[in-house]
Amino acid sequence: KQEVTQIPAALSVPEGENLVLNCSFTDSAIYNLQWFRQDPGKGLTSLLLIQSSQREQTSGRLNASLDKSSGRSTLYIAASQPGDSATYLCAVHTGTASKLTFGTGTRLQVTL
Amino acid sequence: SAVISQKPSRDICQRGTSLTIQCQVDSQVTMMFWYRQQPGQSLTLIATANQGSEATYESGFVIDKFPISRPNLTFSTLTVSNMSPEDSSIYLCSARPRGLETQYFGPGTRLLVL
Repeated sequence: KQEVTQIPAALSVPEGENLVLNCSFTDSAIYNLQWFRQDPGKGLTSLLLIQSSQREQTSGRLNASLDKSSGRSTLYIAASQPGDSATYLCAVHTGTASKLTFGTGTRLQVTL
Repeated sequence: SAVISQKPSRDICQRGTSLTIQCQVDSQVTMMFWYRQQPGQSLTLIATANQGSEATYESGFVIDKFPISRPNLTFSTLTVSNMSPEDSSIYLCSARPRGLETQYFGPGTRLLVL
């Protein structure tokens, strides 16, 4: 059974800092990994998707890496802004039923 | 991409009643999913809504409690039946468009059962 863990559970940083969020998964037989953002009381916004054959994906200030063999992914946020404050979730796509298994999330607060 | 809407956005219900949540996608999608997010928790998959056949439920979820319909390629409903306070959660609809691997989510339905 796939299990996904995110560290840290919560993070507070001053504006302008670069930061790294971590995601680990127990079963390396994944199709892809997706990072999401969730604002309080809202749904999920897809940020990046990394295929199992890829090492990283970039979108603006965001960079996600994937090391499938070690079961790890990181989301790097450059020059953080207060608008980046949200919960970040990683999810892995495994199995024949195309299901996503979600991590526990990292709650990020970027302060002025 | 896909834009997903859900109705209602939130509701307060009495114990023992049922609520049907609607999910509409702005394009035809091959796969639709229903997730639950309990307070302070991450998302858990309830079931995959299959067009033209019965939904596929995950361990711990049953059709009698969470009946699902999917009459076409853009619409699905989830009913939460015989509700108890433990059903208080956010229920999210999700879809994967044809030819894409990215999964998109609706804004969620916040349910409070008293």
